[in-house]
Amino acid sequence: ELKVEQNPLFLSMQEGKNYTIYCNYSTTSDRLYWYRQDPGKSLESLFVLLSNGAVKQEGRLMASLDTKARLSTLHITAAVHDLSATYFCAVSGGSNYKLTFGKGTLLTVNP
Amino acid sequence: NAGVTQTPKFRILKIGQSMTLQCTQDMNHNYMYWYRQDPGMGLKLIYYSVGAGITDKGEVPNGYNVSRSTTEDFPLRLELAAPSQTSVYFCASSENRGLVTFFGQGTRLTVV
Repeated sequence: ELKVEQNPLFLSMQEGKNYTIYCNYSTTSDRLYWYRQDPGKSLESLFVLLSNGAVKQEGRLMASLDTKARLSTLHITAAVHDLSATYFCAVSGGSNYKLTFGKGTLLTVNP
Repeated sequence: NAGVTQTPKFRILKIGQSMTLQCTQDMNHNYMYWYRQDPGMGLKLIYYSVGAGITDKGEVPNGYNVSRSTTEDFPLRLELAAPSQTSVYFCASSENRGLVTFFGQGTRLTVV
């Protein structure tokens, strides 16, 4: 059974600081996704990582993948209040692209 | 381009009632999914479909049924609503390479 663990589950940051969210998964997977969810809203796709060593960046967010360690990280650089949201990682395997999600990290960026 | 559209957005059901959550997509995606989201638990897969006429169970299928008669539509049926089905339900679809999954806006269901 594929399991996905995120940590931390809650993260309170000051604006301007850096931090990393970790995502571990239990079995081999061929792709890793990061999503953002604002309160009461749907999920917004941030990144999809397809291979070992993949790194993608968008603004203050950078995601990376280490398939050997079964670990992905979402690094936040110089946080701003607009980044406050819940961030989910998810993995899929096989040809039907079902997603198994972590529990999410609730990020709060304080001024 | 509407993407994935779910109706209704909110619903309150009494225990034992039934209802259908509607989901339609206009992107000609073969892959469609229903997830439920409970507070602090992430999203869990209820059912999925890889094309018209083909459906399969996900992680938490009990109490639900689905059908997929067309590529566009993937309704989720609750036959005998129970308080444990109080949740936010998301329909999603994926293009054929699975690189992007599009989510609907969600249906917030309360069973009382």
